[in-house]
Formats: sequence, structure tokens, C-alpha cells
Amino acid sequence: GQQLNQSPQSMFIQEGEDVSMNCTSSSIFNTWLWYKQDPGEGPVLLIALYKAGELTSNGRLTAQFGTTRKDSFLNISASIPSDVGIYFCAGPAGANNLFFGTGTRLTVIP
Amino acid sequence: SQTIHQWPATLVQPVGSPLSLECTVEGTSNPNLYWYRQAAGRGLQLLFYSVGIGQISSEVPQNLSASRPQDRQFILSSKKLLLSDSGFYLCALDRAWETQYFGPGTRLLVL
Repeated sequence: GQQLNQSPQSMFIQEGEDVSMNCTSSSIFNTWLWYKQDPGEGPVLLIALYKAGELTSNGRLTAQFGTTRKDSFLNISASIPSDVGIYFCAGPAGANNLFFGTGTRLTVIP
Repeated sequence: SQTIHQWPATLVQPVGSPLSLECTVEGTSNPNLYWYRQAAGRGLQLLFYSVGIGQISSEVPQNLSASRPQDRQFILSSKKLLLSDSGFYLCALDRAWETQYFGPGTRLLVL
């Protein structure tokens, strides 16, 4: 079946450091989405990517749609304590659904 | 703007008891609606989705069921809860460009 593996599973970083995480798929995706889930809340969309090779920024966040269409990357620059949470990648699974990755849990140490 | 309400926010239920979780949406018509479950520290598992009133698709066989009695109401139910039903239940709706918008979630603890 389809799999979306995220790496790393968890990260502990110092405030101010940059963060990199990635998501790889067993099949080709035409859309890549990145969500962030704050503790105890629902996920919130951060960035959407629709074209292979596309690089999109949202403030300190930058995401890239891999050229093979089987991977995507999310970078966070100059991390701050409120960046804490779980980051999920997602892609379309059929006509109406999204398939979510396993998540990367980020902890920022002040 | 679109809003999702989930009720209750937190629920503690004994094993074998029934369950009813409600999701209502505002600011949209005829949305596709979704129920996800998230076990502690885990990813999102799609349980059900609905493309309209009375239309339910189940993604995972289990002792849960869903209903959509009104266009903007999506209900998740169980006749007898299991310990493994504990988790964080999220309702979501479709937005443009293949994205989804999530509600605040209901935390369920089955004891």
C-alpha cells in the first residue's frame, strides 16, 4: 500500500537553529502538503506544493516539491519556541482523500 | 470563513459504553467531510468520509460508524467502546486545491 515516511521521527533543537525534515513516498504525488499540529489541536496547513521542483516559502518556512515527485522537504529557519509541534506531510489519495505521513515531532529548547 | 465545531472537546467513557461525537461546519455548503483518529504520538488515520447527506464511505473496518444527517453535520458513533478506541478524533472538510481544514478535535479516553 501507499506509504509516506517522514524523517526524522523527532527532533530536539536549540532555539535559533535551522530545521530540516523530509517526506518520501512509495508512489508519485502531484501535490504535496505540509501541516503543523500544535499540542492538543487540529493540524493547520502551512504550505501547498503543486509542481515538481517548486520551492515555496511561508515566513521562516520553506518547502520544496522534489523533482522525482516522490519526496518533499520542509525547512524552518531560526527556530522559535512556538515552532514546537508535529509536522505532517500529505498528498492526495484518490478523488476525495488525503494520505498523511507519519509525522516529525519538533521540540525547541529555549 | 469556514469554521468547524467539534463537541465535546474531551470525553472519558467506560469500556462498552456508547459514543456520539459531533462535528458541525459553518461558512460552506455541501462540503466533503472527514473523520480522522490520531492515537497518542501517532499519525492521522482516516476513518470515514462523506460527500453528501446520507453518503458515508468507511476506510477502516472497526466498531465505529458515521452518519451525516444534515449537510453541515457529521457524527461519529459507537454502540460499545473498546479500549483501543481511545485517541484524538478530528473532523475535517475539503478546501480548494486538494487541501483540508481541520477542526479542534475531541480527545476520547476509554477506561
